[in-house]
Amino acid sequence: DIQMTQSPSSVSASVGDRVTITCRASQDIRSWLAWYQQKPGEAPKLLIYTASSLQSGVPSRFSGSGSGTDFTLTINSLQPEDFATYYCQQANTFPFTFGPGTKVDIK
Amino acid sequence: QITLKESGPTLVKPTQTLTLTCTFSGFSLSTTGVGVGWIRQPPGKALEWLAFIYWDDDKRYSPSLKSRITISKDTSKNQVILTMTNMDPVDTATYYCAHGRITRMIIEAFDIWGQGTMVTVSS
Repeated sequence: DIQMTQSPSSVSASVGDRVTITCRASQDIRSWLAWYQQKPGEAPKLLIYTASSLQSGVPSRFSGSGSGTDFTLTINSLQPEDFATYYCQQANTFPFTFGPGTKVDIK
Repeated sequence: QITLKESGPTLVKPTQTLTLTCTFSGFSLSTTGVGVGWIRQPPGKALEWLAFIYWDDDKRYSPSLKSRITISKDTSKNQVILTMTNMDPVDTATYYCAHGRITRMIIEAFDIWGQGTMVTVSS
């Protein structure tokens, strides 16, 4: 199985900050990476697919980059509604695997 | 508009078999290029992919659970069913079904998720 790691595991930030989350795959997954946002008690919401494609309806302050084994999710100008946990997921190979999550909370 | 909703028991006993149903609307699983997956999340933990079924009835399973789970579909009812045998307290989790975003026959992500259903395994 492809192992996914994320860093940091948590980050404290303020409204208006720029936040960067890193995801690393244990082997080359090309650009088959997705990012999800999950708020407490809610289902995950797709933000980014194929590493850098913005899902319809997702604000443009979210962006993704990377290929191969190293990927980044960037949130520009953090908004109050962005405080949540973020997960990466590789879609290159079955079994699909998720990262352990990064919690973004209020500083 | 695509929607999915999970249903099933909230409490099962150890060794029992769990059957969950995902009822969806806004797409058909008889349409080429469509698929639905199951993902679970133990309380306070990360997401774990379980299984996926394609429009042509091709199926994929998590190797760690393959001996215990079965995914199937009822196209006429717009449902996908997940069964998991020999339930254990470690299987306590919220179970989600999700629509696969498929482009040129490749699954890119899960773009629409159900609300999830919490299943507790306890005697």
